[in-house]
Amino acid sequence: QKEVEQDPGPLSVPEGAIVSLNCTYSNSAFQYFMWYRQYSRKGPELLMYTYSSGNKEDGRFTAQVDKSSKYISLFIRDSQPSDSATYLCAMINNYGQNFVFGPGTRLSVLP
Amino acid sequence: NAGVTQTPKFRVLKTGQSMTLLCAQDMNHEYMYWYRQDPGMGLRLIHYSVGEGTTAKGEVPDGYNVSRLKKQNFLLGLESAAPSQTSVYFCASTFRGTFKDNEQFFGPGTRLTVL
Repeated sequence: QKEVEQDPGPLSVPEGAIVSLNCTYSNSAFQYFMWYRQYSRKGPELLMYTYSSGNKEDGRFTAQVDKSSKYISLFIRDSQPSDSATYLCAMINNYGQNFVFGPGTRLSVLP
Repeated sequence: NAGVTQTPKFRVLKTGQSMTLLCAQDMNHEYMYWYRQDPGMGLRLIHYSVGEGTTAKGEVPDGYNVSRLKKQNFLLGLESAAPSQTSVYFCASTFRGTFKDNEQFFGPGTRLTVL
C-alpha cells in the first residue's frame, strides 16, 4: 500500500461546478498537509497548506483535513477553466525533512 | 530573483551515456531536493541535501549521484543512463527542511528521454 493514495482522474467538470479532490494516507505521523497545483509542463506550485484537522479557506479554495480518518480534501468553488491542472497532495511529519506526494489528480474545467 | 532554475530543459540520451542536470536557486535556501515524476507515480524523491557539502538518499536513489559543492547549486548525475530513467526531473528547495513556515519551491523541470 502506498503511503499516500489519490484518485488520478482525469476529472472533467463544467465551468462553475464545485470540485472535490481527495487523498488518503496511512502514516499517522503526518502533521502538515499541502495541496500543489501543477499546470501542464510546469513545476508544482503551492496552493494551500494546513497543519490541523478542520477547514481552511482561501478564496474559492477550501482545504479540509480529517486526521482521525487519515483523509484530506480540496474543494474548489465556482471552478474556472484556468483551474484545469493536476492537483497533488503532499504531507510531512513534524520533524521530517522529506515531503511525501500523492500521484496527482488531473482536472479539466470545461467552458 | 529567478527562483529555482534547471538546466537543460530537454535532453535525449542513448543507453549507457552519462549526463549532469544542474539546479540553481537564488533564495539562499538550505535544503534542496531532486524528484522524478512519472505517470501515475507522483513525485518521488531521488536525493536531497540539507546544506552545502551534504547529500542524502531519498526513495529512489539507485542509478543517480548528486553533489552540493555550493549552497546555491545541486547537481544530479546519471553515470550510465537506462531507459527506466526516462522521466521528468524536478528540483526543489526550501529555506529549512521542516515544513512549518516553509514552502517548497520547484523548478520548471527537465524532460529526459533515454533510448
